[in-house]
Amino acid sequence: DAGVIQSPRHEVTEMGQEVTLRCKPISGHNSLFWYRQTMMRGLELLIYFNNNVPIDDSGMPEDRFSAKMPNASFSTLKIQPSEPRDSAVYFCASSLKVTKWNSPLHFGNGTRLTVT
Amino acid sequence: SQQGEEDPQALSIQEGENATMNCSYKTSINNLQWYRQNSGRGLVHLILIRSNEREKHSGRLRVTLDTSKKSSSLLITASRAADTASYFCATDDQGGSEKLVFGKGTKLTVNP
Repeated sequence: DAGVIQSPRHEVTEMGQEVTLRCKPISGHNSLFWYRQTMMRGLELLIYFNNNVPIDDSGMPEDRFSAKMPNASFSTLKIQPSEPRDSAVYFCASSLKVTKWNSPLHFGNGTRLTVT
Repeated sequence: SQQGEEDPQALSIQEGENATMNCSYKTSINNLQWYRQNSGRGLVHLILIRSNEREKHSGRLRVTLDTSKKSSSLLITASRAADTASYFCATDDQGGSEKLVFGKGTKLTVNP
């Protein structure tokens, strides 16, 4: 099991540029989550999908952020245009939801984004 | 909003000692989970305890849950240098959504 795979591991970009973060969830998992981690705000849930459908995007900070899940094995988080305050570590996580009870999340190793 | 808060923020102990971390939350939950994060890595799930459970064990880990006090504790016994990491609690909401809200974590340092 390769685990959740995120790319790139590090991204440095200039303010105003478009940034695309990628995630491959664990095969067979049906839920996918995007989190952002900063020292000040901790871990924040941005959006999550179930069976490729966005369920809750209330954590997406602004219209500059968008996320897609075109199929069960791939998701993207896009920031356009990027700003310095978007600098953070972005995590993707997946889980297998079979009952009403929450299942453990499996996290990728994150993408460290720096916007200068 | 629903959020677990860990206490203490940081904890430094010697190898072999026990480490206890606490988590408090605000509203009713279905379950509570504990995760570990090593520096520069993603979070790793440790243990899940349901709202109708009071205690759960996994190896050197012991988790308790007191729903009347809206609190949980994570005990690591006979700590090792490799246990050095940040530990987070995460709570859901009884509404049945899959949203997990994480606290800001306890940074544990185990000195050899």
